[in-house]
Amino acid sequence: AQSVAQPEDQVNVAEGNPLTVKCTYSVSGNPYLFWYVQYPNRGLQFLLKYITGDNLVKGSYGFEAEFNKSQTSFHLKKPSALVSDSALYFCAVRDGGSSASKIIFGSGTRLSIRP
Amino acid sequence: ETGVTQTPRHLVMGMTNKKSLKCEQHLGHNAMYWYKQSAKKPLELMFVYSLEERVENNSVPSRFSPECPNSSHLFLHLHTLQPEDSALYLCASSQDPRDATNEKLFFGSGTQLSVL
Repeated sequence: AQSVAQPEDQVNVAEGNPLTVKCTYSVSGNPYLFWYVQYPNRGLQFLLKYITGDNLVKGSYGFEAEFNKSQTSFHLKKPSALVSDSALYFCAVRDGGSSASKIIFGSGTRLSIRP
Repeated sequence: ETGVTQTPRHLVMGMTNKKSLKCEQHLGHNAMYWYKQSAKKPLELMFVYSLEERVENNSVPSRFSPECPNSSHLFLHLHTLQPEDSALYLCASSQDPRDATNEKLFFGSGTQLSVL
């Protein structure tokens, strides 16, 4: 079975500081990993994904994520946070050997950037 | 806008009512999904349709009944719901679930459902 965990319900960061939102996963095969962001009263929006290749993946709005196979992690990072980054962030995973429809999401981490 | 439109945005219904949620995508995608979002819980995958055929049904109670009449439209029919069914229901679409290189979900803004 596949699963994804986001250990922090909320992350608070001052504007201009680096931010990290944590995600760990469990799959039996090769992981396909995703980050999505949800702004208030909106659906989720795709940020970035890791399928294969470089462990450091760059995505929208200056975000990046690092795939770490030994730690089964896929943490989301940004060097300098903006107030507009405040939103709910979801990590997702699926087993590369499974149906593409079986994408499993975490419970979300609320990111709050203070001015 | 993501190209996925959900109506209504808000719905309040009694436990004996029958209502339907509607989703429409204008992206030419082949797969459509229903997810349930409850506070501080993982997003729950409910149903998946690929090329208008239901390919996933994650042990969802029969009081939720999906319908996919064509690749652009998806419905979720609701009847005799319970208060614990109150949540945000999200529709999503993707281009081709068989193509991992293009794998990305496009979500609608959701229907906020309250069951009284």
